[in-house]
Amino acid sequence: GQNIDQPTEMTATEGAIVQINCTYQTSGFNGLFWYQQHAGEAPTFLSYNVLDGLEEKGRFSSFLSRSKGYSYLLLKELQMKDSASYLCAGRGTGGFKTIFGAGTRLFVKA
Amino acid sequence: DTGVSQDPRHKITKRGQNVTFRCDPISEHNRLYWYRQTLGQGPEFLTYFQNEAQLEKSRLLSDRFSAERPKGSFSTLEIQRTEQGDSAMYLCASSPTNEQFFGPGTRLTVL
Repeated sequence: GQNIDQPTEMTATEGAIVQINCTYQTSGFNGLFWYQQHAGEAPTFLSYNVLDGLEEKGRFSSFLSRSKGYSYLLLKELQMKDSASYLCAGRGTGGFKTIFGAGTRLFVKA
Repeated sequence: DTGVSQDPRHKITKRGQNVTFRCDPISEHNRLYWYRQTLGQGPEFLTYFQNEAQLEKSRLLSDRFSAERPKGSFSTLEIQRTEQGDSAMYLCASSPTNEQFFGPGTRLTVL
């Protein structure tokens, strides 16, 4: 199967750190993406992990554990503009098919 | 603007009509994807092209959906005999390797 699960909603405070988790069936994917999508806009790329470990890119970091079928996106120093949906997506092992989770809606409050 | 463009941005049609959407990818990208997205959901994979070859197609797609990329540049997605359940945002994305660059989408409303 190719299920991707992530929490539906999260709320965090401006300036804080938030971790958005994503779990998936290990047999289905080879590489995990994170995308950000503001309401009414198209998704924009944040990160791609194909190997285990943490990759840091400014205020955003992404972690992958292939054996556990687990990834997370870490957002530091939250800003109001970070309020958006965060989509976890897996690349299928058979080719380039990309399967998206339903997304986690993050609300950043003052 | 050298990003991915889609046309039209909005389409309202009556049930049973055919519609065609166009996607112009970033020029040097050889990979092109079509997705469908409904409110509160992530994009749902429809099909994938590498240059002009359609290499993957979702099993969820009925025969009413067809896509082409005749010269490995722009792509079209056609929906025949539209149904109300086809109402959604249709997104196109292009990619040089891993990162996908999405267009603004075409919002389809089937009455």
